Amino acid sequence: EAQVTQNPRYLITVTGKKLTVTCSQNMNHEYMSWYRQDPGLGLRQIYYSMNVEVTDKGDVPEGYKVSRKEKRNFPLILESPSPNQTSLYFCASSRTLAGGLETQYFGPGTRLLVL
Amino acid sequence: DQQVKQNSPSLSVQEGRISILNCDYTNSMFDYFLWYKKYPAEGPTFLISISSIKDKNEDGRFTVFLNKSAKHLSLHIVPSQPGDSAVYFCAAWDSNYQLIWGAGTKLIIKP
Repeated sequence: EAQVTQNPRYLITVTGKKLTVTCSQNMNHEYMSWYRQDPGLGLRQIYYSMNVEVTDKGDVPEGYKVSRKEKRNFPLILESPSPNQTSLYFCASSRTLAGGLETQYFGPGTRLLVL
Repeated sequence: DQQVKQNSPSLSVQEGRISILNCDYTNSMFDYFLWYKKYPAEGPTFLISISSIKDKNEDGRFTVFLNKSAKHLSLHIVPSQPGDSAVYFCAAWDSNYQLIWGAGTKLIIKP
């Protein structure tokens, strides 16, 4: 089954304690992306990756890091989480076509609470 | 400043009637638009898309209309069904391969 998986689904942590949210896709997609969803703001892109070893900042990259060492995985790292990073996070992937991208497939989301 | 705007946070429609969800954008360079549907506790799922070379795209009960001069698109659902109750997001691809999202509209279908 084609899917995007994220772990953990729920996480409560404290300010300053480093954490990683994993994302994996089994569709051999080149493009992967992280979003956060906050009430009234829709989805905002944090980072995206066009392919292995290629990552770029989205709209709200501050406080986050990513890496793309393998095509299937795109972990999101919060080196020193703060309460304003409490949010719902989605990972997504899509195929890259000449001239653009296909529609994105989303993971189920990770709900993060930073105390 | 939001480049993709969904000005109605929620919309309530009677089952069987037409649901019309609206979306406005400010960047005239956007040339591909998508609608996603999202249920609680799940990731968004793709619904329908439209390229700027078209003004209409239809898929079953779902039709998307694009008015480039007004920088406006709308999603029509006919007839509306209880399972259509969800949050609907409008999004646009920009030239940097970023998907720019609206804030979403919560659609409630009343029986």
